[in-house]
Amino acid sequence: DTEVTQTPKHLVMGMTNKKSLKCEQHMGHRAMYWYKQKAKKPPELMFVYSYEKLSINESVPSRFSPECPNSSLLNLHLHALQPEDSALYLCASSHPLSNSDTQYFGPGTRLTVL
Amino acid sequence: KQEVTQIPAALSVPEGENLVLNCSFTDSAIYNLQWFRQDPGKGLTSLLLIQSSQREQTSGRLNASLDKSSGRSTLYIAASQPGDSATYLCAVKEWRALTFGSGTRLQVQP
Repeated sequence: DTEVTQTPKHLVMGMTNKKSLKCEQHMGHRAMYWYKQKAKKPPELMFVYSYEKLSINESVPSRFSPECPNSSLLNLHLHALQPEDSALYLCASSHPLSNSDTQYFGPGTRLTVL
Repeated sequence: KQEVTQIPAALSVPEGENLVLNCSFTDSAIYNLQWFRQDPGKGLTSLLLIQSSQREQTSGRLNASLDKSSGRSTLYIAASQPGDSATYLCAVKEWRALTFGSGTRLQVQP
């Protein structure tokens, strides 16, 4: 199984809402990632978790709050977002002990902030 | 800071043509380079991964090469098909994570 799943596929929220994005993998990978992709732009790294600990935060605003409750799950909690945060949010996973391993990506969550 | 550039930004070819997509990067201290395919509004599908010690990788009609010292990679697609239409992204792996190029949007005309 080389699948990374993400829910929901689409999300529309207001600027005062609180919502969460979910990501799951069962490949035994211990590194998980959140990327943000704006239209016609490449993905940009937001956060990296290694062995359930946050190892990289790319100066992301605090209205985005990641969480890794166990080795298979990764969440991204959203609060007080701005319209410019509308984007495709991609989750990925890989084996952290091998810098040579492929990163597997999920299908993404299309987020629209009104 | 690593910068990854892809040329051309867009490409339209008739079905059956062989084509080459180019990727260049500024810092050669990479672990590997990956080529991905992305269909509109979808996630990324990994096509090929080349380790820093390798020169090329092949999968079906795809062949990717890597010249780490000059900071260049190419993706060769043989006998292109309409189903190959998508955006192709290259990404280099450093100690942090992947850094992506802006992609090449490929349209294969039937």
